[in-house]
Amino acid sequence: AQKVTQAQTEISVVEKEDVTLDCVYETRDTTYYLFWYKQPPSGELVFLIRRNSFDEQNEISGRYSWNFQKSTSSFNFTITASQVVDSAVYFCALSEETNTGNQFYFGTGTSLTVIP
Amino acid sequence: DAGVTQSPTHLIKTRGQQVTLRCSPISGHKSVSWYQQVLGQGPQFIFQYYEKEERGRGNFPDRFSARQFPNYSSELNVNALLLGDSALYLCASSFKLFGYTFGSGTRLTVV
Repeated sequence: AQKVTQAQTEISVVEKEDVTLDCVYETRDTTYYLFWYKQPPSGELVFLIRRNSFDEQNEISGRYSWNFQKSTSSFNFTITASQVVDSAVYFCALSEETNTGNQFYFGTGTSLTVIP
Repeated sequence: DAGVTQSPTHLIKTRGQQVTLRCSPISGHKSVSWYQQVLGQGPQFIFQYYEKEERGRGNFPDRFSARQFPNYSSELNVNALLLGDSALYLCASSFKLFGYTFGSGTRLTVV
């Protein structure tokens, strides 16, 4: 069963607009971790944020903010006042804690294009 | 400090051939994981190694194998290449089992 769903395949916004990327996850574990990664055309996955299942505090980092809601199994990501440099593919990922190590379950990604 | 380095960056192989991809983790990191990212999809977990032992394996055929060396670097081997193996192969390293840093990947094209 798919564990991470990013329903938005592609989003285009005009520069300076706000944009929210949606992420819905599925897990039976009580301890898990959620991540957002950015993937520019170069291919490298750039870490943006990690949140554990016991920490539902929303977080703001500059123009980025994250809304974690366990009740709806969602971990949404908002970019405020978007810039052209924000254009990239964004991945939400889930990692479950196991005794044999961990693996990431990635969503299919949301391609964001910021139009100047 | 150097990040996660992968080599080669690009590779073209013919169906049926074998390929070896290499990964050097961040200094001090003991865990290495491999992911396959097919165009337009999210990365899929292939292997995880921690302290030179396999700690996890994804749903990939036995044609895929990996190992981790005493210096914590790692190799991913793929035998009998298929067209469907064409993808970006990402390596990630971590000091413990969480908090991974990804490399820029090796783009493999099978023709």
